[in-house]
Amino acid sequence: GAGVSQTPSNKVTEKGKYVELRCDPISGHTALYWYRQSLGQGPEFLIYFQGTGAADDSGLPNDRFFAVRPEGSVSTLKIQRTERGDSAVYLCASSQGQNQPQHFGDGTRLSIL
Amino acid sequence: AQSVAQPEDQVNVAEGNPLTVKCTYSVSGNPYLFWYVQYPNRGLQFLLKYITGDNLVKGSYGFEAEFNKSQTSFHLKKPSALVSDSALYFCAVISPGYSTLTFGKGTMLLVSP
Repeated sequence: GAGVSQTPSNKVTEKGKYVELRCDPISGHTALYWYRQSLGQGPEFLIYFQGTGAADDSGLPNDRFFAVRPEGSVSTLKIQRTERGDSAVYLCASSQGQNQPQHFGDGTRLSIL
Repeated sequence: AQSVAQPEDQVNVAEGNPLTVKCTYSVSGNPYLFWYVQYPNRGLQFLLKYITGDNLVKGSYGFEAEFNKSQTSFHLKKPSALVSDSALYFCAVISPGYSTLTFGKGTMLLVSP
């Protein structure tokens, strides 16, 4: 079955570079979430989309981080001027509604050298 | 604020024995509570949820959880553990006024043969 798909699965880049992480949610899911998971921690919320709009971006750590979902389906998380502290697994999830179970992708492991 | 505490970093149990993974929460208002499981290098998989109704919730793979409002707990249980249950387990909560989940730091469950 078609679950949440995230690409790439791994990304290694140098400090200062720009990266884009892609999430393809389950078809028909209106809600889409981005999380960041550091080693030994639970996922930390970054941003939530309901349809095309960012309903809550309060978890984005600073203005280097930005996400879009232009057609209400695929979403892209964009990180500018990457720093070593950005290294983590970035998880995407989608759901049928705000309080419904979220279905997660396998994540993108981002390593900043 | 909403928060989740998983007091045990690791739980060890022998195969065939009952298991409990503890979770307590702090919210304003009525909580929606969730358990997820994460296998190595994979995203989180939904196990079960409590929204309202019966305090004992049954989920996937024989797991269940008991909602206790007075103790603000939502412990995960299984009557008979399997070696294949070994994984990282996360408790999560969402409450009125919040748009997304807050996760605990996770508990590693190790089931020995």
